[in-house]
Amino acid sequence: AQKVTQAQTEISVVEKEDVTLDCVYETRDTTYYLFWYKQPPSGELVFLIRRNSFDEQNEISGRYSWNFQKSTSSFNFTITASQVVDSAVYFCALKNPLPDKLIFGTGTRLQVFP
Amino acid sequence: GAVVSQHPSRVICKSGTSVKIECRSLDFQATTMFWYRQFPKQSLMLMATSNEGSKATYEQGVEKDKFLINHASLTLSTLTVTSAHPEDSSFYICSARDMKQGAGFGNQPQHFGDGTRLSIL
Repeated sequence: AQKVTQAQTEISVVEKEDVTLDCVYETRDTTYYLFWYKQPPSGELVFLIRRNSFDEQNEISGRYSWNFQKSTSSFNFTITASQVVDSAVYFCALKNPLPDKLIFGTGTRLQVFP
Repeated sequence: GAVVSQHPSRVICKSGTSVKIECRSLDFQATTMFWYRQFPKQSLMLMATSNEGSKATYEQGVEKDKFLINHASLTLSTLTVTSAHPEDSSFYICSARDMKQGAGFGNQPQHFGDGTRLSIL
């Protein structure tokens, strides 16, 4: 079965705190792709990162970092020194070669308070 | 780059009306576009995959006669909600995949439009 689990429904932090959003996936394929998207209150989905299953190198982009652990089927997302503008719903998604579609997790709503 | 434009952003109409939503890739060509539906505080549910020049592939449980999809060019896909009823009220969002990005099938990220909030009275 192909499945993405984001166990954290809502997270609230105060500005400047670090926060980690968890993502656990299930797939039978050895080749797959993982994505993170941000959905601010305005509604659009913003692409943040993609990761291939054969590339376990972690990535850092400014205040954002991603920790891909194949051994635990996790692809966690950390925001360092959070800001109010980070408040949004964050979706983790899985893509296998077939079928040709993204499988989204249920999302984590992050609220960053000033 | 990789901008997807969705229009209109909001529609309010009476029950029985048909509503057309457009999804355009502005700076890239997209042979494949996707249509999603999202209920409040829920995840995105894929409705159908739209392939340029061929019939759309609908997900199980999605009525193809209710949700008409046309993908006539490499930059435009349309979703028409026919004879809309209050239960069709939702947030509809499209995405397009830039086939030139990334290496290997399926690696390309989907770029999303801003969504259309449909309210049927």
